[in-house]
Amino acid sequence: EAGVTQFPSHSVIEKGQTVTLRCDPISGHDNLYWYRRVMGKEIKFLLHFVKESKQDESGMPNNRFLAERTGGTYSTLKVQPAELEDSGVYFCASSQTFISGNTIYFGEGSWLTVV
Amino acid sequence: DQQVKQNSPSLSVQEGRISILNCDYTNSMFDYFLWYKKYPAEGPTFLISISSIKDKNEDGRFTVFLNKSAKHLSLHIVPSQPGDSAVYFCAASAYAGNMLTFGGGTRLMVKP
Repeated sequence: EAGVTQFPSHSVIEKGQTVTLRCDPISGHDNLYWYRRVMGKEIKFLLHFVKESKQDESGMPNNRFLAERTGGTYSTLKVQPAELEDSGVYFCASSQTFISGNTIYFGEGSWLTVV
Repeated sequence: DQQVKQNSPSLSVQEGRISILNCDYTNSMFDYFLWYKKYPAEGPTFLISISSIKDKNEDGRFTVFLNKSAKHLSLHIVPSQPGDSAVYFCAASAYAGNMLTFGGGTRLMVKP
């Protein structure tokens, strides 16, 4: 069974440009999460989808970030326009059920460098 | 304000000995705790978890202990192996859902 897959694995863009990250969750997982780790700090929650609906987007830093999950399958996270402080690793994760205690599986991350 | 803290950024242990990684939390609403292991350039891999109704969970060489009154949990690895060398993240979630709050991580180095 395929795990959580993310694309691209690495991206280098200039400040002001746009980048779109994609995440394919584990098949059958209704819950999809985005997290990020910047500057070697702790991993921080960005948002949570249940199928195609945004359940919680309290962690989204500002309106330059837009996440979508059309059809409840894969998700995209767009950063527009990118700023230097957006550099970091963006992790996608998925889980089956929406209850505390359910194991959440992470992808390998998309490394974003804004120069 | 960090709700989950791992106060030791790094830990070095000899192969075969016990590794103890610690984690403290402040939010009393957390009811489920997880440990993730992360190798460079990879995503966090689930290792072991514990519910707040338990004080111990064991899986092979890995045991997690939870002290709710102290808001403290620890991960014990025994015996430690060189392949255990990685960054270990403690994470917590509250009853309301699955949003994970992570600690800053502890880098474990197991020396042969």
